[in-house]
Amino acid sequence: DAKTTQPTSMDCAEGRAANLPCNHSTISGNEYVYWYRQIHSQGPQYIIHGLKNNETNEMASLIITEDRKSSTLILPHATLRDTAVYYCIVRVAYNSGGSNYKLTFGKGTLLTVNP
Amino acid sequence: KAGVTQTPRYLIKTRGQQVTLSCSPISGHRSVSWYQQTPGQGLQFLFEYFSETQRNKGNFPGRFSGRQFSNSRSEMNVSTLELGDSALYLCASSLDQGTHEQYFGPGTRLTVT
Repeated sequence: DAKTTQPTSMDCAEGRAANLPCNHSTISGNEYVYWYRQIHSQGPQYIIHGLKNNETNEMASLIITEDRKSSTLILPHATLRDTAVYYCIVRVAYNSGGSNYKLTFGKGTLLTVNP
Repeated sequence: KAGVTQTPRYLIKTRGQQVTLSCSPISGHRSVSWYQQTPGQGLQFLFEYFSETQRNKGNFPGRFSGRQFSNSRSEMNVSTLELGDSALYLCASSLDQGTHEQYFGPGTRLTVT
């Protein structure tokens, strides 16, 4: 799985957009970009994933650069409940030998949303 | 739909004992993965089960084992507990092979004294 680089921490004002960057310069053509977050003392929560195109769901938007070497997770209107550690993960969906759901978590970005 | 459930939520064991943790995936999900989270090492993959077979394994000693039942429920066992096994153990379920989303349970907090 490709390695990712994320800032250690970021701050955001409540109600503003939070833009969380992730670098994955060694990403392979068949690797997806996944975002998860973990609110303190809870299990990680799936947010969004993408391969090439930008993606949007009810939680967030994912912008992937054309060369796929970096991406940005956007929380359009951050709330205090969005304070969490955000993990950017790059991996293949599954391998030819069967399911391969291993997620390799890095340190992530601690996003603090301030009132 | 109920989420992933893990039991027990908290556990205190003594060094040398063994422990069994349980995970019930979301109804209809057939893949279950286990992760260990510690302050020092972060979130680390333990193993993954699909159709009662271990499909993938992380870099953990043989003291860590698991199994999956025909109803997709899974258990993990740690034998001869060490102080360093104190951690939050998380279970995640996925619908099927090739499914992108994994849904995590709240975890079992294991303390080894």
